[in-house]
Amino acid sequence: AQSVAQPEDQVNVAEGNPLTVKCTYSVSGNPYLFWYVQYPNRGLQFLLKYITGDNLVKGSYGFEAEFNKSQTSFHLKKPSALVSDSALYFCAVRGDNTGGGNKLTFGTGTQLKVEL
Amino acid sequence: SAVISQKPSRDICQRGTSLTIQCQVDSQVTMMFWYRQQPGQSLTLIATANQGSEATYESGFVIDKFPISRPNLTFSTLTVSNMSPEDSSIYLCSVTTGEQTQYFGPGTRLLVL
Repeated sequence: AQSVAQPEDQVNVAEGNPLTVKCTYSVSGNPYLFWYVQYPNRGLQFLLKYITGDNLVKGSYGFEAEFNKSQTSFHLKKPSALVSDSALYFCAVRGDNTGGGNKLTFGTGTQLKVEL
Repeated sequence: SAVISQKPSRDICQRGTSLTIQCQVDSQVTMMFWYRQQPGQSLTLIATANQGSEATYESGFVIDKFPISRPNLTFSTLTVSNMSPEDSSIYLCSVTTGEQTQYFGPGTRLLVL
């Protein structure tokens, strides 16, 4: 079975400071990893993904994530946070050999709050 | 990427009634998914909607409660039947593209009184 852990329910950051939202995963086979963002009263927006290749993945709105196979982690980062980044962030995983085909497992979400 | 629309965007319903949610995609896709997001919770997969065959339901979800249609490669409906307040959630449609990425619709916010 595959699983995702987001250990922090909430992360608070001052605007202009770097931010990190943590994610660890468990999956059989090679992982396909994703980050999504959900703004209030909106659906999920795709931010970035790791399928293969470089461990550092760059995505939308200046976000990036680093795949670490030995630590089974895929932490989301941004060098300089903006107030507008305040939202709910979800990490998701699926294995490359998932029999059910493309079934994603989501973490519980991390609420990011960026303050002035 | 894919552009996905859902109707209705929100609704308030009485218990015991049913609501059908529509999902439209701007391109043909093989797999469509329906998720539920209960208040303050993460996403839970309800079922995978396959064109030309029965939907595949996840553990804890049954066809009588959540019947799904998939008449073509760009459209699907999810019905929430005989609703109770516990069905109050956001219901999200999702599709997978050839880039191995799932894209989500804006969601349908359902409140059952």
